[in-house]
Amino acid sequence: SQTIHQWPATLVQPVGSPLSLECTVEGTSNPNLYWYRQAAGRGLQLLFYSVGIGQISSEVPQNLSASRPQDRQFILSSKKLLLSDSGFYLCAWSVTGGKRTQYFGPGTRLLVL
Amino acid sequence: GQQVMQIPQYQHVQEGEDFTTYCNSSTTLSNIQWYKQRPGGHPVFLIQLVKSGEVKKQKRLTFQFGEAKKNSSLHITATQTTDVGTYFCAGSNDYKLSFGAGTTVTVRA
Repeated sequence: SQTIHQWPATLVQPVGSPLSLECTVEGTSNPNLYWYRQAAGRGLQLLFYSVGIGQISSEVPQNLSASRPQDRQFILSSKKLLLSDSGFYLCAWSVTGGKRTQYFGPGTRLLVL
Repeated sequence: GQQVMQIPQYQHVQEGEDFTTYCNSSTTLSNIQWYKQRPGGHPVFLIQLVKSGEVKKQKRLTFQFGEAKKNSSLHITATQTTDVGTYFCAGSNDYKLSFGAGTTVTVRA
């Protein structure tokens, strides 16, 4: 069966510090991968998605970036965090084609102080 | 771009009562999906609707896809405390899902 992992689970970072969040998927090949951000009590904002290794599409301009160095690994990064980067970061995967149901990881709660 | 709007944003329900949350898209959708996020948790897939006018049931939950494939609804009967959480609809047209803002449900016992 497929599983999706995210780490760390929680993170407190000072403004201006770098960020690296990691997401890995097991039990499937060539998944579509997604990064979302959810502000407290709000909906899901799609940040990036990837349909293959090295292929990243950005949905919103910001100081975040994403990379996919391996088929089942998706990384969210920032060189300098802003206060507004605080939120709940969710990684998700879906099969290529088909129903495209998305399966979410447990998320990372980021607080920028 | 495609926009999915969801109402109401908040739903306070007396235990045992019914309620409905609605989802509307600015464009025709190939399918619509519903997710539930429990407080402190992550969204979990509930169901997908593909056909025009489709209706699916999961116990006390009834999901409907509009004839024009631009709107959907989720109706919950006899609400229980286990129904607490945020329900998201999401419309699909390509690789991406466009999520509504969600309906956050609280239940009064």
